[in-house]
Amino acid sequence: GQQVMQIPQYQHVQEGEDFTTYCNSSTTLSNIQWYKQRPGGHPVFLIQLVKSGEVKKQKRLTFQFGEAKKNSSLHITATQTTDVGTYFCAGARGSYIPTFGRGTSLIVHP
Amino acid sequence: EAGVVQSPRYKIIEKKQPVAFWCNPISGHNTLYWYRQNLGQGPELLIRYENEEAVDDSQLPKDRFSAERLKGVDSTLKIQPAELGDSAVYLCASSPGLMNTGELFFGEGSRLTVL
Repeated sequence: GQQVMQIPQYQHVQEGEDFTTYCNSSTTLSNIQWYKQRPGGHPVFLIQLVKSGEVKKQKRLTFQFGEAKKNSSLHITATQTTDVGTYFCAGARGSYIPTFGRGTSLIVHP
Repeated sequence: EAGVVQSPRYKIIEKKQPVAFWCNPISGHNTLYWYRQNLGQGPELLIRYENEEAVDDSQLPKDRFSAERLKGVDSTLKIQPAELGDSAVYLCASSPGLMNTGELFFGEGSRLTVL
């Protein structure tokens, strides 16, 4: 079955440093979504990528979808304490429901 | 506009007891999902409804789990009897369109502890 692997599992950074999380699928995806879950909270949608090689930006967040549509990344520039949380990718194949990765927990030290 | 509403937020039961969770999706959302999230893991789909029809329940442990979405609006997820391994957060989500057409709107979740 479809699997979505996400690395790293945890990332500690000093405030102001950059952060990247990577998502890899064993199969070609039709789209990939990214969610953020604050500690004790629920997943909140950030973005959806559909096109091969697509790059989207939201302020300090940059999302990329690989050319082969099997991998994706989320990069945060100059992290802030408000960025703390777990970032999940969720990849979908065709009309199938997105499969969530395990998530990367970001810890920002002030 | 109200988001996805779930209750209860927390539930502690002893093993072999029954438990039920309720979800009210965003008004007008046709698709409703139940996910289970274990500690340190991503959400795993249990069941998906398109209106009142369960269209994807392959991951639902049918020997002890059941779900319903009467009239295509509210939904309940039941576990009977609960086992220790059922301790998790049960998340309900909804989306406006049919099939996989965009973002999922999650509720706050129901945290279950089975003792």
